Amino acid sequence: EAQVTQNPRYLITVTGKKLTVTCSQNMNHEYMSWYRQDPGLGLRQIYYSMNVEVTDKGDVPEGYKVSRKEKRNFPLILESPSPNQTSLYFCASSRQTGVDSPLHFGNGTRLTVT
Amino acid sequence: GNSVTQMEGPVTLSEEAFLTINCTYTATGYPSLFWYVQYPGEGLQLLLKATKADDKGSNKGFEATYRKETTSFHLEKGSVQVSDSAVYFCALVYGNNRLAFGKGNQVVVIP
Repeated sequence: EAQVTQNPRYLITVTGKKLTVTCSQNMNHEYMSWYRQDPGLGLRQIYYSMNVEVTDKGDVPEGYKVSRKEKRNFPLILESPSPNQTSLYFCASSRQTGVDSPLHFGNGTRLTVT
Repeated sequence: GNSVTQMEGPVTLSEEAFLTINCTYTATGYPSLFWYVQYPGEGLQLLLKATKADDKGSNKGFEATYRKETTSFHLEKGSVQVSDSAVYFCALVYGNNRLAFGKGNQVVVIP
C-alpha cells in the first residue's frame, strides 16, 4: 500500500531535549516536505526537499533541521525543542514538482514540549 | 506574495443541505488550485484540483471552479452527508511545488 509513515504519532518531551520525528515514503517520490498545523494558522511549511541531498527552507524553518540522505526518508530534527514548537506535524511527499503531482500526507505527529 | 484566504469560522449544517466554502487567492501568474480534506486523526487528502482558469475540479460530489476574474475557487456540494464532516483546506501551488494553504474550515454535518 502506498503510504507516508510518520513516527511517533504522539510525543511529549521537555524543553531542550533533542528529538527526531521520522518520515518514510514507499512511492519513490522525489519531493518531500514537512508542515506544522496550528489552530487558526492552518498549515505552514517548515522545510522541503526536491531530491536526495537537496533541502530548502519553507516559511517557518527556525528551530528545525532536516536531512535527505536517502530518497525514502526525510527526518525532522529539533535540536533544542521549545514550548512554541508544540504542534501537529505532517510529512508529505509527491512524485515530482509540478501541478500534476498532488501531495500524499502522513497521519501526523502530535508533539508537546513542556 | 502568494496566499489563500478562507472564510472564517466552522460551518455547521444539516444532512442534505447545500455546502459552500469560500476561497480566494493572491498569486503571481496563474497558479494551480487545490482543495484538500482532513478527516479526524488523519493527514490531508487531495479532494480536487484545477490547473487553469475556468477549469472545474470535481470529486465525491464536490465541485470547485477556477475563477480568474474573481480570484476565487469556492467549494460546493449539493447535498452533504454526515461522512463529509471534516476540515477543508484550500491551497495553491507556486514555485517548485511550494504550497500555500488557507487556514481551513471545520465542517460539521448534523444528522
